[in-house]
Amino acid sequence: QKEVEQNSGPLSVPEGAIASLNCTYSDRGSQSFFWYRQYSGKSPELIMSIYSNGDKEDGRFTAQLNKASQYVSLLIRDSQPSDSATYLCAAGGFKTIFGAGTRLFVKA
Amino acid sequence: DGGITQSPKYLFRKEGQNVTLSCEQNLNHDAMYWYRQDPGQGLRLIYYSQIVNDFQKGDIAEGYSVSREKKESFPLTVTSAQKNPTAFYLCASSTGQGGMTEAFFGQGTRLTVV
Repeated sequence: QKEVEQNSGPLSVPEGAIASLNCTYSDRGSQSFFWYRQYSGKSPELIMSIYSNGDKEDGRFTAQLNKASQYVSLLIRDSQPSDSATYLCAAGGFKTIFGAGTRLFVKA
Repeated sequence: DGGITQSPKYLFRKEGQNVTLSCEQNLNHDAMYWYRQDPGQGLRLIYYSQIVNDFQKGDIAEGYSVSREKKESFPLTVTSAQKNPTAFYLCASSTGQGGMTEAFFGQGTRLTVV
């Protein structure tokens, strides 16, 4: 069974701090990786995609991929209370497999 | 505005009843997907379609059926054979094949058995 594993949290960080979210995947054939943000009761919203090893930065967000370790991470700099949500990691190959998500709480 | 529209937002089903959830997209995407989300769990793939008139079962297809008669539309029917249908249902679409490209989601349909 192909899986994407995430710590369910909650991860609690103070406002202005860096939030670090991690994810591992089991399918070595996965070639594309995504981070989605999901507010309670809402649908997931794509915030980052990454396809090659290394870092990818977009504003306050940095995605990191290490295919050898089958590890993906998302860093959120200068965390804001509005970042409080569940973050879903997804690995795409023939099909996209989603993790259960990590709940992030940013304290004002 | 381009996007994915799901309807209804809330749906109540009686025991033994079939219900159909609508999903329409105007993004000109080839691929469309249906996911189910239960509290504290990730998204589980029900069905997906990469081209019109073709679709494949996902991981939890039992008790569900779909059709893809038009590129824009991918309705999901929850049949009476689905014994525990209460969940949040999400429709998504993407440009490419399978999971290689980003998927964009509709606003979801929350189905409750009464």
